Amino acid sequence: QQPVQSPQAVILREGEDAVINCSSSKALYSVHWYRQKHGEAPVFLMILLKGGEQKGHDKISASFNEKKQQSSLYLTASQLSYSGTYFCGTEGEDSNYQLIWGAGTKLIIKP
Amino acid sequence: KAGVTQTPRYLIKTRGQQVTLSCSPISGHRSVSWYQQTPGQGLQFLFEYFSETQRNKGNFPGRFSGRQFSNSRSEMNVSTLELGDSALYLCASSAGTSGSTDTQYFGPGTRLTVL
Repeated sequence: QQPVQSPQAVILREGEDAVINCSSSKALYSVHWYRQKHGEAPVFLMILLKGGEQKGHDKISASFNEKKQQSSLYLTASQLSYSGTYFCGTEGEDSNYQLIWGAGTKLIIKP
Repeated sequence: KAGVTQTPRYLIKTRGQQVTLSCSPISGHRSVSWYQQTPGQGLQFLFEYFSETQRNKGNFPGRFSGRQFSNSRSEMNVSTLELGDSALYLCASSAGTSGSTDTQYFGPGTRLTVL
């Protein structure tokens, strides 16, 4: 029941856009996005709730399609600081304070 | 506010030994979740505690246990260590008071190596 993230890895040039997808086989209540840089702890990006709106800050935004049980993270005009591994954590409608995490998407930004 | 702290940061143990890891959440947070992170496996949920009660548990053997104290600090114990237990163990704190999973704030982790 681990959500599937795609792609597994992506290499971009600075300024290019990226989309990271997270798909679940279960009905979802929320999707959480985190970024982890090498050797550091995961850092919160945003939460998307069922029935909520698309969210975003700076040039990172995300959408949540409840019917398709998937979420997408959009990184626009990527910066070197966006490099890292992105994880989605999903909370099912029947879950109990438990996030199930995807395997991660490694994003490498080159100058 | 001070962030989530975990001690120790690094541990080297041998097979068969046991280990205790500690996590101090952000002040005011009552929920602590523990995760095991290994390359290629992502974050595997161990358990979550709220107000000294385990609210949820992942699919790990009984060798993995935890507890939470009245000040919300949490400990995780692994007995009879196996080579496969080598991993980064992360704890995350959250307010834990909403009806669903809140934003989680992760600590720096404890890197456990089992020889």
